[in-house]
Amino acid sequence: DVKVTQSSRYLVKRTGEKVFLECVQDMDHENMFWYRQDPGLGLRLIYFSYDVKMKEKGDIPEGYSVSREKKERFSLILESASTNQTSMYLCASSLPASLTSYNEQFFGPGTRLTVL
Amino acid sequence: GEDVEQSLFLSVREGDSSVINCTYTDSSSTYLYWYKQEPGAGLQLLTYIFSNMDMKQDQRLTVLLNKKDKHLSLRIADTQTGDSAIYFCAETRTGGFKTIFGAGTRLFVKA
Repeated sequence: DVKVTQSSRYLVKRTGEKVFLECVQDMDHENMFWYRQDPGLGLRLIYFSYDVKMKEKGDIPEGYSVSREKKERFSLILESASTNQTSMYLCASSLPASLTSYNEQFFGPGTRLTVL
Repeated sequence: GEDVEQSLFLSVREGDSSVINCTYTDSSSTYLYWYKQEPGAGLQLLTYIFSNMDMKQDQRLTVLLNKKDKHLSLRIADTQTGDSAIYFCAETRTGGFKTIFGAGTRLFVKA
């Protein structure tokens, strides 16, 4: 059974703290993604990675960075958390889009981050 | 623009059919998807349709695609309380890494 896991389901941090969100997939997928989900706005792409050590900005990268040192792990970093980063964060993985335009993404359960 | 648009809420009675609608803007979209998100969980692919198809049926689910109007719909027959969830419409374009998601439609099923 395919699996994407995220390090925490719930996280509470203070403004200014450095926050690490970890995501691990066991499907040997090349692509990995970080989204944030907000009511009425749906999923917005923060960053994605199509290979180890490769990263591309998504639609809302400001205030975030990522790290992909190993194929199975993709980390989202909030260098200095702010209250407007309170959100649900979803990680996903998929096969390379170059093989086929079909691009099913497999999602983790999400991390609900609250920044006080 | 890149928008995928869908209404935010839908309420139906148990046993009725649900129809969730979506519009997209890019005519180069190749695959269109419906994802389901149950409470407290991530998204899971429910069904998809390739852009050269008009309709796809899978048990209680029927997907209709109108390419001329860039309109996608998901019909759930005999809706059950377990169908209560958020349904996301999504698209990928030729050779694209990115999948564009709509805002999600929250389906409420009344017993």
